[in-house]
Amino acid sequence: DTAVSQTPKYLVTQMGNDKSIKCEQNLGHDTMYWYKQDSKKFLKIMFSYNNKELIINETVPNRFSPKSPDKAHLNLHINSLELGDSAVYFCASSQVFAGSTDTQYFGPGTRLTVL
Amino acid sequence: DAKTTQPNSMESNEEEPVHLPCNHSTISGTDYIHWYRQLPSQGPEYVIHGLTSNVNNRMASLAIAEDRKSSTLILHRATLRDAAVYYCILREQGSSNTGKLIFGQGTTLQVKP
Repeated sequence: DTAVSQTPKYLVTQMGNDKSIKCEQNLGHDTMYWYKQDSKKFLKIMFSYNNKELIINETVPNRFSPKSPDKAHLNLHINSLELGDSAVYFCASSQVFAGSTDTQYFGPGTRLTVL
Repeated sequence: DAKTTQPNSMESNEEEPVHLPCNHSTISGTDYIHWYRQLPSQGPEYVIHGLTSNVNNRMASLAIAEDRKSSTLILHRATLRDAAVYYCILREQGSSNTGKLIFGQGTTLQVKP
């Protein structure tokens, strides 16, 4: 069983479109995250949710809107896609929020290409 | 957030030990040292973490300097499957911990057969 899953794995779309990426974790964790890995391979936090509540929004444009319908899911909706949004997006989860010893479990990533 | 410095890349031969260094000279007394790695085309995965004492698990060992300003991730027998980017990350304790992992550029480990 996959602990953290994301769909789709690949997403190719045109500029200006709206798209969503889904994330599910079956670990029973309270906290979920979205990270973005750009073309230079830098990984950076975008959002974190704890018990469905937004905790971190790292100055991400408001075209990006995370939604957490329940603790096991954290979806990422992106409006008006731009070329610079092309990246690999990783979802992650952890058992506790802001634990200095907790482990984050990452999904396989969604490669978004905006043409 | 305290920063870490790692070499951009390292090479190793298969079945030999690998020592991956990390400098964190501004580490605070309560920061934990975590290591994650990212295999090609996969998400990062946890490797090991420690505070002051050396740590061992099934994947690796973590050696922490006495002054905690540096640490070394040790893979005892590298395999081709260990070729990845290895990230050394500091995690704060207490209210200043926002839960996020702050990734640097990491060390790209190449393992030669």
